[in-house]
Amino acid sequence: GDQVEQSPSALSLHEGTGSALRCNFTTTMRAVQWFRKNSRGSLINLFYLASGTKENGRLKSAFDSKERYSTLHIRDAQLEDSGTYFCAAEAGDTNAYKVIFGKGTHLHVLP
Amino acid sequence: GGIITQTPKFLIGQEGQKLTLKCQQNFNHDTMYWYRQDSGKGLRLIYYSITENDLQKGDLSEGYDASREKKSSFSLTVTSAQKNEMAVFLCASRQGNTGQLYFGEGSKLTVL
Repeated sequence: GDQVEQSPSALSLHEGTGSALRCNFTTTMRAVQWFRKNSRGSLINLFYLASGTKENGRLKSAFDSKERYSTLHIRDAQLEDSGTYFCAAEAGDTNAYKVIFGKGTHLHVLP
Repeated sequence: GGIITQTPKFLIGQEGQKLTLKCQQNFNHDTMYWYRQDSGKGLRLIYYSITENDLQKGDLSEGYDASREKKSSFSLTVTSAQKNEMAVFLCASRQGNTGQLYFGEGSKLTVL
């Protein structure tokens, strides 16, 4: 099965509301990154976490290596937040620097 | 700031043809990656390289070769293109002190 399971695969939010994206890992990962695909199709790095939480504006991410999950919270969603979000996990010592992606969440923010 | 340049941006090939994609980065990063992106399947790791002349197989390495000729350059070869294959190939490099990945804009492959 997939090592990185991302959910939901699609999400619709009204402007001003919030929600969370989640990635579960089948093995212990040493770090996680979250990306957003921009309008040109490029992947932009939002967060890199080896533990704990990080916040940037309306986005907040958490990573729990022991419980094998990471979340990306979006609050006060804006139309420009629409797009595809990916999590990517960095494997442990036996596969140092191997970075595996989830299948993505398509976020649609509605007026 | 640095940049990752992938060439070509668009590649059209014939079935059975060997096709090569190139990636250059001027970040001076040690580790580089090649991913394949198909609709609905996210990004799948083909090869990665921890340093110059190093190669590590990803989960999708069959049917591909890679070469890390120098620190700034990482090439990917499709050894035998499959008919009707269409995918975007993404190259990335990893910043050593933060672990963040930086991506190129992608190379779109179409096989006729």
